[in-house]
Amino acid sequence: EDQVTQSPEALRLQEGESSSLNCSYTVSGLRGLFWYRQDPGKGPEFLFTLYSAGEEKEKERLKATLTKKESFLHITAPKPEDSATYLCAVQPGSSNTGKLIFGQGTTLQVKP
Amino acid sequence: ETGVTQSPTHLIKTRGQQVTLRCSSQSGHNTVSWYQQALGQGPQFIFQYYREEENGRGNFPPRFSGLQFPNYSSELNVNALELDDSALYLCASSPSQANTEAFFGQGTRLTVV
Repeated sequence: EDQVTQSPEALRLQEGESSSLNCSYTVSGLRGLFWYRQDPGKGPEFLFTLYSAGEEKEKERLKATLTKKESFLHITAPKPEDSATYLCAVQPGSSNTGKLIFGQGTTLQVKP
Repeated sequence: ETGVTQSPTHLIKTRGQQVTLRCSSQSGHNTVSWYQQALGQGPQFIFQYYREEENGRGNFPPRFSGLQFPNYSSELNVNALELDDSALYLCASSPSQANTEAFFGQGTRLTVV
C-alpha cells in the first residue's frame, strides 16, 4: 500500500536554529515527490518537486533532498515567518492520474 | 496567489443536506483535483477531472460527485451530508493529467451540524 509518513509531527525551533523535516514513503514506483507549505486555514502552497534519488532543490532558506526511501526538507537559519505546516506528498507511478498521497504534515513553530 | 479560486470560503450545513462547492482553475490548466482535509491531517484525494471527464477517484462513496465545465472550472457535490464530512475541501489545478506542480486554492471550510 502506498504510504507517506512525516516526522516529527511538531517541531519548535529558535530563530536561527537549523533543522530538518523527514518524509518517508512507500510507493509502487515514484513519479514525483512534492513539498508544500500550509498556513492555518489556507490551501497548501507549492514549494518543490523532486523526481529522482539524488536530486536537490533550494528556495531561500529551504532545501529539499530525495533518496529512494525518503526526502528531507532542510531549514537553514529559520525565521518566525517560516512557521507553518509542511506537507510531503508522492505521486505513485502506478496511477495514470495526478493523485497525490499526502503525509500528515510537520507543524513548525519558529520563536524569535 | 495561485490563480485558483474556491467558493464559498466557509459553509455550515445540516446533516442530510446537499452541498455544492466551486473551483475556478488557473488559466491554462485543464485538470482539476479535489481533496478533503480533516483537521490535523494531510489532504486525501477525492477525484480528478480532465477535460470534463472523471479521471481517477479515491476511496470516497458515490455521494461525492463532481463536474468539470468547458472552461475547466469544477464543482464538487456532496449528498446526504454526514458529520464526518466536516473538513477543509481543497481544489488543485494543474496543466496536465500528470499533475506535476499542482496549485491549490484557499479551500472551503465545510461544517456539518
